[in-house]
Amino acid sequence: GAGVSQSPRYKVTKRGQDVALRCDPISGHVSLYWYRQALGQGPEFLTYFNYEAQQDKSGLPNDRFSAERPEGSISTLTIQRTEQRDSAMYRCASSSTGTSGEQYFGPGTRLTVT
Amino acid sequence: AQTVTQSQPEMSVQEAETVTLSCTYDTSESDYYLFWYKQPPSRQMILVIRQEAYKQQNATENRFSVNFQKAAKSFSLKISDSQLGDAAMYFCAYRSALGGFKTIFGAGTRLFVKA
Repeated sequence: GAGVSQSPRYKVTKRGQDVALRCDPISGHVSLYWYRQALGQGPEFLTYFNYEAQQDKSGLPNDRFSAERPEGSISTLTIQRTEQRDSAMYRCASSSTGTSGEQYFGPGTRLTVT
Repeated sequence: AQTVTQSQPEMSVQEAETVTLSCTYDTSESDYYLFWYKQPPSRQMILVIRQEAYKQQNATENRFSVNFQKAAKSFSLKISDSQLGDAAMYFCAYRSALGGFKTIFGAGTRLFVKA
């Protein structure tokens, strides 16, 4: 596709439910990143992948959060047993090369936990 | 751990004037990248400009330029001839060049442009 896409764009869920957020990176991009952005704050790194390998998950807040990218393309961020504090914008980005590569951000998924 | 600090929560500039947004960072590394991102009301993230730490020359992109002071760990963004469309949140960001792709963002500066 022309850019990074994310779905759903908006998700409202009840506390305790599981949610899965999807990211479709730019075709051919090797690296994929997940960030969380609270209102009025900068993005906070969660995890990233090179191809299908999860290289760094140090930013995942706790074990309710997990991510996968099984075929090195589409990625899913899963939050189990959601809590109100999980409410935020979840952003995905992808890049074509190593650390110097520009990250292209998706539009984000706005998650609201009620 | 690296940190990025933007000490100006909000800034205001008159249309056609120049404004400078401040950013400082803390790192023990010598090789890294610095970025400024723009986030308009649509909440997209748009790369404005980037700087490689090993380059002494300040990066420039049209009306946007940076003042990179490596020793002082300072990376300010200057916007010349400000336009109404420049109104947005601006985030400063750091990424190590030594392996690892983690990008650290500052808290942001909201820029208002007055007509």
